[in-house]
Amino acid sequence: GQNIDQPTEMTATEGAIVQINCTYQTSGFNGLFWYQQHAGEAPTFLSYNVLDGLEEKGRFSSFLSRSKGYSYLLLKELQMKDSASYLCAVRTNDYKLSFGAGTTVTVRA
Amino acid sequence: DTEVTQTPKHLVMGMTNKKSLKCEQHMGHRAMYWYKQKAKKPPELMFVYSYEKLSINESVPSRFSPECPNSSLLNLHLHALQPEDSALYLCASSQAPHSNQPQHFGDGTRLSIL
Repeated sequence: GQNIDQPTEMTATEGAIVQINCTYQTSGFNGLFWYQQHAGEAPTFLSYNVLDGLEEKGRFSSFLSRSKGYSYLLLKELQMKDSASYLCAVRTNDYKLSFGAGTTVTVRA
Repeated sequence: DTEVTQTPKHLVMGMTNKKSLKCEQHMGHRAMYWYKQKAKKPPELMFVYSYEKLSINESVPSRFSPECPNSSLLNLHLHALQPEDSALYLCASSQAPHSNQPQHFGDGTRLSIL
């Protein structure tokens, strides 16, 4: 199985930056996804990395280091609506997606 | 709003009932998935359909029976469920099973077993 670790909770102030780390141990790595999930809603796709480096999409960026089994999601210019759970998900060569337990981010005014 | 539509949004059923969850997408995706999500836990994969054929069954009990009538529809038939089966059931789809495109999730069906 997959071993995916991310912090349980993070709190930050509106307008600030937060970095959510994800470490994983897996065989047959085939990409890493970040999803956002508001309580009671569907997970929505944020970003995808399969090669090492940084992917930037507006206020959200994601980084991957395959040799270290490490990724992070960077949220900039935090807004109240960014309060949600952020799920790190690892895809393996059989194209299954395994999710981490999620990081609950609370944005305070 | 998502492009993957699930019905019903909420379902309460007894342990002897038979019901079905439905999922529909019109994005031309050829891979469809069922996940189970308990409160404050991540989604767990149940089934994968690839080009309307069941390709992955994650050792799910037979009281859950998936069906893919066509490339746009995915059903999950429920029979003789247990209280521990109460959860959010998420459907997802992706362009193809072996593509780099992400999975898109529906809003889920919140299922309660009495």
